[in-house]
Amino acid sequence: DGGITQSPKYLFRKEGQNVTLSCEQNLNHDAMYWYRQDPGQGLRLIYYSQIVNDFQKGDIAEGYSVSREKKESFPLTVTSAQKNPTAFYLCASSITGTGAYEQYFGPGTRLTVT
Amino acid sequence: GESVGLHLPTLSVQEGDNSIINCAYSNSASDYFIWYKQESGKGPQFIIDIRSNMDKRQGQRVTVLLNKTVKHLSLQIAATQPGDSAVYFCAENWNTDKLIFGTGTRLQVFP
Repeated sequence: DGGITQSPKYLFRKEGQNVTLSCEQNLNHDAMYWYRQDPGQGLRLIYYSQIVNDFQKGDIAEGYSVSREKKESFPLTVTSAQKNPTAFYLCASSITGTGAYEQYFGPGTRLTVT
Repeated sequence: GESVGLHLPTLSVQEGDNSIINCAYSNSASDYFIWYKQESGKGPQFIIDIRSNMDKRQGQRVTVLLNKTVKHLSLQIAATQPGDSAVYFCAENWNTDKLIFGTGTRLQVFP
């Protein structure tokens, strides 16, 4: 089956710890995205990558970091500098990075930091 | 399950009725629009998309209407079923490399 996988589904961390969220796709898509979702709000873009070894900041990149060493993988690190990291994190991919094509979403990771 | 929106606008419809979910988009230059469905605790799922050279597009039980004059997008669901209960998001793109998402509408279907 082709698709996007995110792991784990639930993640718990203590404040002050960095944590890395996994995102893998086997759709052969060039572009990948990370979003954050909070209750009562839409999806906010954290980082995106249109091609391997390149990525751009989204609207709320502070306190997050990413890498794109392989086409299939786009891990997101939530650092201790992120002031309010508890949220639902969604990864997506798209055929191209033009923004004008459907994005396919993974199942999400719920991160809770206490 | 997860709560994706505690204070979202809510549309309540009876099973079998038609549903209309509305979205006011922000940029008159937007040329691509897309609707997603998100069930509690899951990632958004593509429903239908439309480009600005069209006013209407139909899928299976769904129709998207685009009114560029008033920057309005709607999603019509025919014969709404309990499985349609979810949060629905519209998103737009205007010649950038990003989709801009709305805050969503919760659809509740009751028997």
